[in-house]
Amino acid sequence: GAVVSQHPSRVICKSGTSVKIECRSLDFQATTMFWYRQFPKQSLMLMATSNEGSKATYEQGVEKDKFLINHASLTLSTLTVTSAHPEDSSFYICSAIGETSSYEQYFGPGTRLTVT
Amino acid sequence: AQKITQTQPGMFVQEKEAVTLDCTYDTSDPSYGLFWYKQPSSGEMIFLIYQGSYDQQNATEGRYSLNFQKARKSANLVISASQLGDSAMYFCAMSLVFGKGTRLSVIA
Repeated sequence: GAVVSQHPSRVICKSGTSVKIECRSLDFQATTMFWYRQFPKQSLMLMATSNEGSKATYEQGVEKDKFLINHASLTLSTLTVTSAHPEDSSFYICSAIGETSSYEQYFGPGTRLTVT
Repeated sequence: AQKITQTQPGMFVQEKEAVTLDCTYDTSDPSYGLFWYKQPSSGEMIFLIYQGSYDQQNATEGRYSLNFQKARKSANLVISASQLGDSAMYFCAMSLVFGKGTRLSVIA
């Protein structure tokens, strides 16, 4: 089956620093990747849609200068939280859609970010 | 705009019994797909089942079945023969829009 990995799985950083989260499709080429944010005991909220080689499309209310997304290849997308603050602490999940799948998202295991 | 509503914040079920998790949706798209995902405490999202709006039959995947009632705009998930390992959060989704989830607890 299609596998998506995320790295790191957990990260703790100090306020004001930047953190990069990687999302990789391990055994398929991901034409599109998505980044979600999930607060404790809440639903997933789509942050942005990322297509290889083009600029990400951000959802309303998501600061593109704060959450930098780079989809450099068909197997890698990165989310960089710049100048992180405690309110950025959350669970970040990526997903990917492959060339052969028209509807199924394959989710990464998530990254828990804690900003102190 | 698409909207998913899950009205059950939490559900309990006895082991080996069946349970239905409710999901209603709203969309103006003539063609759409509905998904159910399981999220255990580890956080990973596990795909369970998919129903296309034009599918003639209700989707089934092992112990999971989807009770799709298009006229009512509902897509309830039925889990048969519940197991302790089924305890988790369950999310109904349409494309990239997720419901608030239902926490299922299976009791021995």
